[in-house]
Amino acid sequence: EDQVTQSPEALRLQEGESSSLNCSYTVSGLRGLFWYRQDPGKGPEFLFTLYSAGEEKEKERLKATLTKKESFLHITAPKPEDSATYLCAVQASQGGSEKLVFGKGTKLTVNP
Amino acid sequence: DSGVTQTPKHLITATGQRVTLRCSPRSGDLSVYWYQQSLDQGLQFLIQYYNGEERAKGNILERFSAQQFPDLHSELNLSSLELGDSALYFCASSFGVSGNTIYFGEGSWLTVV
Repeated sequence: EDQVTQSPEALRLQEGESSSLNCSYTVSGLRGLFWYRQDPGKGPEFLFTLYSAGEEKEKERLKATLTKKESFLHITAPKPEDSATYLCAVQASQGGSEKLVFGKGTKLTVNP
Repeated sequence: DSGVTQTPKHLITATGQRVTLRCSPRSGDLSVYWYQQSLDQGLQFLIQYYNGEERAKGNILERFSAQQFPDLHSELNLSSLELGDSALYFCASSFGVSGNTIYFGEGSWLTVV
């Protein structure tokens, strides 16, 4: 069964304090690994898709990397507006379905 | 704005009742997904439709059903509602070919009292 585990569950940072969020996964036939940002009561907002080990993608203060067993979301010099829950999901090749299997997320709080 | 539209945004109903949640996918997207999010379970995949046909099923209860219409909008029907069905229900869409990004709507808050 496909599984996604995110750590830590919660993370508090001071503004400007860089850190990384971890997403480890077990999946048969990875088609893609996705990162989403979710604000309270809102829908997940797409951030990145990574398809193969060694791939990296960047957007503003965020950088996502992928290995064969895990992905990291690096946050450089975060600001309070980066506070949100960050969700990792894997998309597996399973009979043509593109469903995403989500981790439980990391709740990030950035204090000014 | 992801382009995925869900209605209603909020819904309060009594146990035993039936409700219908509606979703319009992004323009051009053929796949529609339904997810349930509760505090303790995270985002759980319910069901996927592709161009009107059921494509994959997840942890969807027998009391729940869904369909995708010729205009590609989708409805999720929840019946014989129980207190535990209270959750945020998300619709998402993608173009449909493997590896495509899945975009989420803002969700429908369902409260069962």
